[in-house]
Amino acid sequence: KNQVEQSPQSLIILEGKNCTLQCNYTVSPFSNLRWYKQDTGRGPVSLTIMTFSENTKSNGRYTATLDADTKQSSLHITASQLSDSASYICVVSGEWVSGGYNKLIFGAGTRLAVHP
Amino acid sequence: DAGVIQSPRHEVTEMGQEVTLRCKPISGHDYLFWYRQTMMRGLELLIYFNNNVPIDDSGMPEDRFSAKMPNASFSTLKIQPSEPRDSAVYFCASSFGQQNTGELFFGEGSRLTVL
Repeated sequence: KNQVEQSPQSLIILEGKNCTLQCNYTVSPFSNLRWYKQDTGRGPVSLTIMTFSENTKSNGRYTATLDADTKQSSLHITASQLSDSASYICVVSGEWVSGGYNKLIFGAGTRLAVHP
Repeated sequence: DAGVIQSPRHEVTEMGQEVTLRCKPISGHDYLFWYRQTMMRGLELLIYFNNNVPIDDSGMPEDRFSAKMPNASFSTLKIQPSEPRDSAVYFCASSFGQQNTGELFFGEGSRLTVL
């Protein structure tokens, strides 16, 4: 069964600290993996998109890694800021279905709270 | 561009009433998606369109839900009659090109509460 599991469910860190969020998936076939940030009451916003051949991709203080062999990804946040408080959703693009669309499998998200 | 625009942002209605949610995708995008987000089930795809044509509506919960895209700049999601279990945040998203390469842009969502 195609699944995306994220850990931890929630996390509290102090401003300025680093943190790492985990994503494990069983989606097959695999096309790409995305990380989204969703602020409370807002829509998800894309942080990174990685294909099979990419091991790491950065977007400012956000760095995503991908190990396609073990089917694991992580999102590392450096020098956290209060504005990083949000839910982070891992999304894996899988099988090709009708209409030229690769089905997206969404993780449940990790809720991050950054405290001053 | 202003991004994906959804309306209304909030809707409170009574059970049995008709609800219409609206979406304006980003200009030039050829894919449009409707998602529903709840605490229990996370983000779920309801239906998607390619060049205004509905391609896959297998995620639509039941016949009470319908979606249309009369032109490239407008789509609606209608629930008739609404039920309390339909309470959720409904997101519209658009992308350009095939989704395995096209970045997905979400609107700010429509929060629906059915009493």
